[in-house]
Amino acid sequence: GENVEQHPSTLSVQEGDSAVIKCTYSDSASNYFPWYKQELGKRPQLIIDIRSNVGEKKDQRIAVTLNKTAKHFSLHITETQPEDSAVYFCAALNYGGSQGNLIFGKGTKLSVKP
Amino acid sequence: DGGITQSPKYLFRKEGQNVTLSCEQNLNHDAMYWYRQDPGQGLRLIYYSQIVNDFQKGDIAEGYSVSREKKESFPLTVTSAQKNPTAFYLCASSIQSRQYFGPGTRLTVT
Repeated sequence: GENVEQHPSTLSVQEGDSAVIKCTYSDSASNYFPWYKQELGKRPQLIIDIRSNVGEKKDQRIAVTLNKTAKHFSLHITETQPEDSAVYFCAALNYGGSQGNLIFGKGTKLSVKP
Repeated sequence: DGGITQSPKYLFRKEGQNVTLSCEQNLNHDAMYWYRQDPGQGLRLIYYSQIVNDFQKGDIAEGYSVSREKKESFPLTVTSAQKNPTAFYLCASSIQSRQYFGPGTRLTVT
């Protein structure tokens, strides 16, 4: 089955710097890759997602890139702000396949220092 | 996200008691899920349901049970057989692969 590895587990940056979180997946049939942000004690919130028919997607300060050949995808946050501090989870899914569940990475705790 | 509700927000139970966590959605989503999250940990899938009257076990189903009698509702029962039930429980629903989470229920069993 699918396995998703996420790195790093913790990341500390200065306000205004960029942050990059990377995930690799094992199942080449996976075709949907969302990213979630979870603030302390709150629900995970979908912040951006990408499907396998595109290589990059951007939404303001957040972007996701996908390399299907290497089976990895990354979250890029530019001009980080203290409110970006949270745990970020990546996930992968073979949408339309027999396994209909998101497989999550273990999360990255991002700290943005003012 | 506002269309998925979980109640209560906090729940306290004595060991040996069964407890049922509520999850309701008004988004007309077919699929619903239950996850467990322990402190500093990721999300582990307990049960999921792709359609009414059907559900499947996830990775950690032992000690839990669910029902899916209505599209809008997917309650989770934590039974006394669950050895370490204290955790944060998250319900989710999805449409066309996009999955949205409820606010969660924090269960404490003593």
